Amino acid sequence: EVQLVESGGVLVEPGGSLRLSCAASGFSLRNAWMSWVRQAPGMGLEWVGRIKSKSDGGTTDYTARVKGRFTISRDDSRNTLYLQMNSLKIEDTAVYYCSTGPAWGQGTLVTVSS
Amino acid sequence: DIQMTQSSSSLSASVGDRVTITCRASQTISTYLNWFQQKPGKAPKLLIFDASNLQNGVPSRFSGSGSGTNFTLTISSLQPEDFATYFCQQNYDLPLTFGGGTKVEIK
Repeated sequence: EVQLVESGGVLVEPGGSLRLSCAASGFSLRNAWMSWVRQAPGMGLEWVGRIKSKSDGGTTDYTARVKGRFTISRDDSRNTLYLQMNSLKIEDTAVYYCSTGPAWGQGTLVTVSS
Repeated sequence: DIQMTQSSSSLSASVGDRVTITCRASQTISTYLNWFQQKPGKAPKLLIFDASNLQNGVPSRFSGSGSGTNFTLTISSLQPEDFATYFCQQNYDLPLTFGGGTKVEIK
């Protein structure tokens, strides 16, 4: 069974940093293009960014709101995706999901507050 | 950025009703359109990809149509488990963008 499990969401102060993880099981992450999508409380879905498979270049793309602050990376040997978030802002408060497209994790809550 | 507009933020319907949810793109996106269902506290679930293709395991009462800028998700006979919020998403161009969602509520 394909499964994605996010972790790492916590309460952090504005300006702080955080790294989220997304552990995949039931399939190999190696050939997958992976995305992070977030959802602020009571709001809609916002695509954060994606990383291509290494065989397709392994490049990353981001929405303008996080470009330069967030970094997506992957460790295919650990079957894990990461989201490094720096210079966090209050408006980054959201549930963060990792996704292959069809498969989604359950999400992890990031709260940015003083 | 491509703006995705779902004209209705909510609609009320009864079990057994035929329900249609619309989504409009601000520019042509061919058929690069996905539909998701989300229930409270849960992750989105992919229902339809490429505008009209039913994702594996999704009941056949769900169908999608459209191309270019106008798209429709239809539930042929609404079931109790279908009360949820539905989002469209374009994957024609970056950044990928979602519609604001349509909440299907019990009448």
